[in-house]
Amino acid sequence: GENVEQHPSTLSVQEGDSAVIKCTYSDSASNYFPWYKQELGKGPQLIIDIRSNVGEKKDQRIAVTLNKTAKHFSLHITETQPEDSAVYFCAAPATFQKLVFGTGTRLLVSP
Amino acid sequence: NAGVTQTPKFQVLKTGQSMTLQCAQDMNHNSMYWYRQDPGMGLRLIYYSASEGTTDKGEVPNGYNVSRLNKREFSLRLESAAPSQTSVYFCASSESGVGIGYTFGSGTRLTVV
Repeated sequence: GENVEQHPSTLSVQEGDSAVIKCTYSDSASNYFPWYKQELGKGPQLIIDIRSNVGEKKDQRIAVTLNKTAKHFSLHITETQPEDSAVYFCAAPATFQKLVFGTGTRLLVSP
Repeated sequence: NAGVTQTPKFQVLKTGQSMTLQCAQDMNHNSMYWYRQDPGMGLRLIYYSASEGTTDKGEVPNGYNVSRLNKREFSLRLESAAPSQTSVYFCASSESGVGIGYTFGSGTRLTVV
């Protein structure tokens, strides 16, 4: 089955810096890779996703890149702000019906 | 507001007690899921329901049962709670499979003493 590894587990940056979170997956057939943001006391919320037919997708300060050959994908946040502080999860499909999540990255953006 | 509603938000149980966590969605989604979240472990799938009338085990189903009551509601039952089931439980739904992102509820924080 699918296995997703996520690094780093914690990431501290200064406001305005960039942050990068990386995930690797095991199933070469996987074709959909979402990223979720979880704020304290809330459920995870989808922030961006990418399908295997593209290598990069951007949405304002957030971008996701995908390297199918190496089986890894990354979340890039530019010009970080304190409100970006949260736990971020990557995920990949275990089967058509299910997602497998990474173990999460706690991002702290200091003013 | 449209979304996934979970009840209760907090619960403390004694070992051996039973309880049911409730989940309802109003987005007409076909698929629903129960995950548990533990520190350092991420989100692990307990059970899921691909469509009304079907349920299947996920990664960590032991000690749990589920019921897909109708298209809107998907409940999770702990028959005899154990301290190892202390966790935050999240319900999620999606329109069809994983191709479209999940919508999560706000979670139930369960402590078993």
